[in-house]
Amino acid sequence: NAGVTQTPKFRILKIGQSMTLQCTQDMNHNYMYWYRQDPGMGLKLIYYSVGAGITDKGEVPNGYNVSRSTTEDFPLRLELAAPSQTSVYFCASSYPVVGGESTDTQYFGPGTRLTVL
Amino acid sequence: AQRVTQPEKLLSVFKGAPVELKCNYSYSGSPELFWYVQYSRQRLQLLLRHISRESIKGFTADLNKGETSFHLKKPFAQEEDSAMYYCALREYGNKLVFGAGTILRVKS
Repeated sequence: NAGVTQTPKFRILKIGQSMTLQCTQDMNHNYMYWYRQDPGMGLKLIYYSVGAGITDKGEVPNGYNVSRSTTEDFPLRLELAAPSQTSVYFCASSYPVVGGESTDTQYFGPGTRLTVL
Repeated sequence: AQRVTQPEKLLSVFKGAPVELKCNYSYSGSPELFWYVQYSRQRLQLLLRHISRESIKGFTADLNKGETSFHLKKPFAQEEDSAMYYCALREYGNKLVFGAGTILRVKS
């Protein structure tokens, strides 16, 4: 299993440009997540999905959009890039909690380092 | 709102010294807490979770509900423990709230 894969690894955007960060997992996980990691701030949840066709906002969704047409893929879209979106973006996936005992280990991708100039 | 606090941005210790990475949380229900670790050039990965009561790579963490803490401890630090450590709290719907992280640097 490749686990969670993300593309691209690095990207530089100009202000106002748009792009899609790709995320794919081959573990048949229902849950998928997008985080951004800023220095000294930890990871902040942008969007998450509990299954194909279902997405919801996290803590910092403004400026982003997501879709979940398949179990495997969870792309993150930046429509009008801004310098404040310069960050490292992580995608993660997990199984749902089963039987009241938490089995919710999140598996992370390698990250995408995005710079907006 | 749920909150996870890691008060130290950087913790520097000598090899063989004890390590304690602090984590405090605020949560209205029964908390589920985790420690995640990111080694240099590697992915963020689960280190341990409180319900398992396990010791991983010599690390342990005990949930103290009275002090709302989940500190990560290791009696003798090793150079390969150098990494970024995140404490995380599970919210409803399997979402995690992460602390700001602590860089552990083990010096030889």
